Amino acid sequence: AQSVTQLGSHVSVSEGALVLLRCNYSSSVPPYLFWYVQYPNQGLQLLLKYTSAATLVKGINGFEAEFKKSETSFHLTKPSAHMSDAAEYFCAVSTGFQKLVFGTGTRLLVSP
Amino acid sequence: NAGVTQTPKFQVLKTGQSMTLQCAQDMNHEYMSWYRQDPGMGLRLIHYSVGAGITDQGEVPNGYNVSRSTTEDFPLRLLSAAPSQTSVYFCASSQQGRNEKLFFGSGTQLSVL
Repeated sequence: AQSVTQLGSHVSVSEGALVLLRCNYSSSVPPYLFWYVQYPNQGLQLLLKYTSAATLVKGINGFEAEFKKSETSFHLTKPSAHMSDAAEYFCAVSTGFQKLVFGTGTRLLVSP
Repeated sequence: NAGVTQTPKFQVLKTGQSMTLQCAQDMNHEYMSWYRQDPGMGLRLIHYSVGAGITDQGEVPNGYNVSRSTTEDFPLRLLSAAPSQTSVYFCASSQQGRNEKLFFGSGTQLSVL
């Protein structure tokens, strides 16, 4: 069965610091991987997705993720955190049409 | 653009009551789904649909019913509410394809007492 594991339920950074949110996947087939962001009291929005076209994927709001097959990882990064990045971030893997398996989420806290 | 619209935003039920969570999308998406979000557990798939008249179970379908009579609407029915169904419910839709992005509604916060 396909799954994802997010390491760290909370990550705290200072404004301007590097953001690194970790996601490892388990899949016996080439995976379709996603990062979604959830702002307070809102639904989820797609940040970026990996579909095997390129290992480094650029998303919205300056985020990017790198697919590393050897490490079964798809970590999310942003060079410089902004206060508006404070949210909960979910890694997910597609197991079929409309069927996503989500990680447990990482809440990003950004301090001034 | 309305996107995916969910109603109501908040609901409190007593154990044993039934209700329907409404979901509508105006993007002509074939695929729709329902997820529940619980603290520390991420989102889990309840039911999904790949077109009008076609539905299937997800990871946690027990206690829920769905139907898809039109492309636009995908209601979720709680047959006999239980405290374990206290959660935030999200409806999502997408175009066809396994790697298509999901568009999510803003959620329904349900409490079952």
